[in-house]
Amino acid sequence: EAQVTQNPRYLITVTGKKLTVTCSQNMNHEYMSWYRQDPGLGLRQIYYSMNVEVTDKGDVPEGYKVSRKEKRNFPLILESPSPNQTSLYFCASSLSRGLLNEQFFGPGTRLTVL
Amino acid sequence: ILNVEQSPQSLHVQEGDSTNFTCSFPSSNFYALHWYRWETAKSPEALFVMTLNGDEKKKGRISATLNTKEGYSYLYIKGSQPEDSATYLCASIPAAGNKLTFGGGTRVLVKP
Repeated sequence: EAQVTQNPRYLITVTGKKLTVTCSQNMNHEYMSWYRQDPGLGLRQIYYSMNVEVTDKGDVPEGYKVSRKEKRNFPLILESPSPNQTSLYFCASSLSRGLLNEQFFGPGTRLTVL
Repeated sequence: ILNVEQSPQSLHVQEGDSTNFTCSFPSSNFYALHWYRWETAKSPEALFVMTLNGDEKKKGRISATLNTKEGYSYLYIKGSQPEDSATYLCASIPAAGNKLTFGGGTRVLVKP
């Protein structure tokens, strides 16, 4: 089944404790992206990647890192999480780098930073 | 940051009625527009990808139009059903870039 998976789905952590949210797609998509969703602010793009070893900042990259060492994986790293990073996070992928194809979203990761 | 706006923020529709709502985006430097449907407790699902001025797309009872010159897109739902209840999101992509900017969404509630 074609899908985007994220792990963990739920996470409660404390300020400053490094964490990684994994994202994997099995559709051989070139483009992958991370979003956060906050009430009243909608979906905001954190980072995106157009291909292996090619990543770039979205609109809200501060406090996050990403890597794209393999085509299928695009982990989101929070080196020192803070309470303002409490949010619902979505990973998404798209066939081509030009975004002329739809994005497929993962199930979401709900992160709480205490 | 692009300013993508959707209106109204929410609307209630009686089952069987048709409805429409708007996504406004900067018309300069336009490349593509995405529409997504987002049900509560689920992930957004793609409806349409639109690129050309005058484009019209249709999927079942849902359709969309695009005006790139004036910077707006309409989404129409014909004969609304309770299962159409969801938040509908649009996202604009500028030329020479691969960033998406989402609007705040229109939350649709269809009453039986």
